[in-house]
Amino acid sequence: QQQVKQSPQSLIVQKGGISIINCAYENTAFDYFPWYQQFPGKGPALLIAIRPDVSEKKEGRFTISFNKSAKQFSLHIMDSQPGDSATYFCAASKEAAGNKLTFGGGTRVLVKP
Amino acid sequence: ETGVTQSPTHLIKTRGQQVTLRCSSQSGHNTVSWYQQALGQGPQFIFQYYREEENGRGNFPPRFSGLQFPNYSSELNVNALELDDSALYLCASSSTGTGEQYFGPGTRLTVT
Repeated sequence: QQQVKQSPQSLIVQKGGISIINCAYENTAFDYFPWYQQFPGKGPALLIAIRPDVSEKKEGRFTISFNKSAKQFSLHIMDSQPGDSATYFCAASKEAAGNKLTFGGGTRVLVKP
Repeated sequence: ETGVTQSPTHLIKTRGQQVTLRCSSQSGHNTVSWYQQALGQGPQFIFQYYREEENGRGNFPPRFSGLQFPNYSSELNVNALELDDSALYLCASSSTGTGEQYFGPGTRLTVT
């Protein structure tokens, strides 16, 4: 069964700190790994995504690290702000198969001022 | 550029009834995917439509069905509603050749 396992389930970080969320996948055919941010009552919003040809991608305060051999990838949120308080989901898909996303279980991040 | 829109926002149905949810894809996108998100969980892939044809299906029974129209908008139909169908139903649109999927705000379905 295709699975994406995400940890931790929840995270509390002080304003200005670093939030780190980890994901592990099983299907080696996956070749697209996005992260989504979801606020209560809203749909997930695409944050940043990576493909296996690079080991790291940075966009502003958000960085994805990717370890193909370990089948793991992580999201780092630098200088965390209260507005970053949300649920974050990692996902994985196979682009050639239409990018049907398999999601992790989510991480609830609370940034304390 | 118009984003993904979904209707209705909320819906309450009784067990055994049927429901139709609607989605308008982002302009320029020709692929629509539907996901079910139970409370406190990640979204689960239901099915995808490309050029009005079903292009892949997740682990959902046949009472979940869909349509895509020539303007790329889509419907999700669920027959014989069960209590466990209560969830947020999300529609995502994308364009062939790119990986990015953009989600709508969802329809919150409650089955009583």
